[in-house]
Amino acid sequence: EAQVTQNPRYLITVTGKKLTVTCSQNMNHEYMSWYRQDPGLGLRQIYYSMNVEVTDKGDVPEGYKVSRKEKRNFPLILESPSPNQTSLYFCASSLDTDTEAFFGQGTRLTVV
Amino acid sequence: EDQVTQSPEALRLQEGESSSLNCSYTVSGLRGLFWYRQDPGKGPEFLFTLYSAGEEKEKERLKATLTKKESFLHITAPKPEDSATYLCAVMDSNYQLIWGAGTKLIIKP
Repeated sequence: EAQVTQNPRYLITVTGKKLTVTCSQNMNHEYMSWYRQDPGLGLRQIYYSMNVEVTDKGDVPEGYKVSRKEKRNFPLILESPSPNQTSLYFCASSLDTDTEAFFGQGTRLTVV
Repeated sequence: EDQVTQSPEALRLQEGESSSLNCSYTVSGLRGLFWYRQDPGKGPEFLFTLYSAGEEKEKERLKATLTKKESFLHITAPKPEDSATYLCAVMDSNYQLIWGAGTKLIIKP
């Protein structure tokens, strides 16, 4: 089954404790991206990657890091999480930049 | 500045009552306009892509249309299972995707 898998689905952490949210896709897609979704604001892109070892900042990259060492994986790293990073996070992949995106189930992160 | 505005924020309809959702946009060089559906606690699910003014696409009870300034998602004779948040996104000439805040659609039986 074609899918994008994120883990964990829910995470509660404390300010400053480094964390990683994993994302994996099994569709051999070139393009992957991370979004955060906050009430009333819509989806905002954090980082994206057009291919292995190629990553670029989206609209709201501050406080986040990503890596793309393999085509299928695109982890999101928060080196020192802060409460304003409490949000719902989605990973997405697509064959190309302007084709339909497949989204993961989401990770609800709470930073206290 | 590129911008996408969806209206209304929320819409309640009776089952069978047809209506339309609006997505108005200002963007530098439209590469495509996307419609997604999002159910509570899940990631968005792709519905349509429209590339040029005048284009229309249909899927079951949904029909998407595109002009140079806006897109409509028409829903005909909706059923309760059509209840969801509908998201619109526009891709500009730099391949940046700008998302609207969504329209929450509730269909009452």
